[in-house]
Amino acid sequence: KAGVTQTPRYLIKTRGQQVTLSCSPISGHRSVSWYQQTPGQGLQFLFEYFSETQRNKGNFPGRFSGRQFSNSRSEMNVSTLELGDSALYLCASSLGQGANEKLFFGSGTQLSVL
Amino acid sequence: AQTVTQSQPEMSVQEAETVTLSCTYDTSENNYYLFWYKQPPSRQMILVIRQEAYKQQNATENRFSVNFQKAAKSFSLKISDSQLGDTAMYFCAFRVDSNYQLIWGAGTKLIIKP
Repeated sequence: KAGVTQTPRYLIKTRGQQVTLSCSPISGHRSVSWYQQTPGQGLQFLFEYFSETQRNKGNFPGRFSGRQFSNSRSEMNVSTLELGDSALYLCASSLGQGANEKLFFGSGTQLSVL
Repeated sequence: AQTVTQSQPEMSVQEAETVTLSCTYDTSENNYYLFWYKQPPSRQMILVIRQEAYKQQNATENRFSVNFQKAAKSFSLKISDSQLGDTAMYFCAFRVDSNYQLIWGAGTKLIIKP
């Protein structure tokens, strides 16, 4: 069974640009969640989607958005990039049936904003 | 506020030794689930062990076990017979029934020396 796939692995952008990151969950998983990891702030929850609906959202500005498609693949978009958006963005998938579930993570997208 | 505290930024032990990583958390929820995740240099988060808060028995997974003290809100991880492959960042986290987001600690960098 293929794992969670995130593309691209690395991305370099400049301030003011926008970026789209992609996440393909494990087959059969309907929940996809996104986390931002930085050395200063650690791991922070961005949002979680289940069956194309956003179920939870973290405390990030509106520049951060996401969506989920009917095949459970998810994308997150960051508009008007700032230097502080440089981070590792992790995607995780699960069946979405309960908070005790194991999350399966991808290897992340390393975003650098110059 | 829901928080997780890992008081040991870095630890190192000799191969085959036993090591314990500390974690305390704070939540007013009654139903929640606790996790230890490992992040090796490959960046992919891997679930090590999980514990349901309503279960008194401590979870074990081969060489990994936890000491769950609900009243003290403590959830430490013990690694027995440590191996070089255990070298990684270890994150303590929890989720509550009413919300699907993982709340993370800052992590402990564990180095296993040969």
